[in-house]
Amino acid sequence: EVQLVESGGGLVQSGGSLRLSCAASGFTFSSSWMSWVRQGPGKGLEWVAKIKQDGSEKNYVDSVKGRFTISRDNAKNSLYLQMNSLRAEDTAVYYCARDKGWQTFDYWGQGTLVTVAS
Amino acid sequence: QSALTQPRSVSGSPGQSVAISCTGTSSDVGGYNYVSWYQQHPGKAPKLMIYDVSKRPSGVPDRFSGSKSGNTASLTISGLQAEDEADYYCCSFPGPFGGGTKLTVL
Repeated sequence: EVQLVESGGGLVQSGGSLRLSCAASGFTFSSSWMSWVRQGPGKGLEWVAKIKQDGSEKNYVDSVKGRFTISRDNAKNSLYLQMNSLRAEDTAVYYCARDKGWQTFDYWGQGTLVTVAS
Repeated sequence: QSALTQPRSVSGSPGQSVAISCTGTSSDVGGYNYVSWYQQHPGKAPKLMIYDVSKRPSGVPDRFSGSKSGNTASLTISGLQAEDEADYYCCSFPGPFGGGTKLTVL
């Protein structure tokens, strides 16, 4: 059974930092593109960042470029999102998702809530 | 990239069919056959329902179908059931999600 379990969310002050983690199991993590997708309170889904299987390619939505860094550790089957210079508008549930290719997300975690106090 | 355009809400009675549209541009929906649809119940994670415009993952009922014409993709749900009431999001390569559509089963 595929499982994606996020952790690391919480309350942080504006300008602060937070590191999210996602533990993957049930599929070959090292062969999969992985993404972070977020959802603000009462809002729609927004793709945030993605990383290639070996970590050699990373892409970000414009609003987080220079502030967020996606990374992975294939030995630990884990995905990370380092979030710096957090803003109130970054408040959201952050989902870890497997990207099966062409921006198609077939497995999702349960999400972790990040709240940025202004 | 701008979000894809979806109706804010649609509704239908049990047993009826409803269609949800997703309009983009020639740079996303119209340019690639990589449109996917996600179902999200309140407080839950999204679930992939359709990918590559019209393919269904294993376990998704065949009441759910997808299509595309030009820059607009559509998700059709036939034989509506109470458990279909949820938010639905489209997504197209290279990236944007739609704004989401709330489906109400009357």
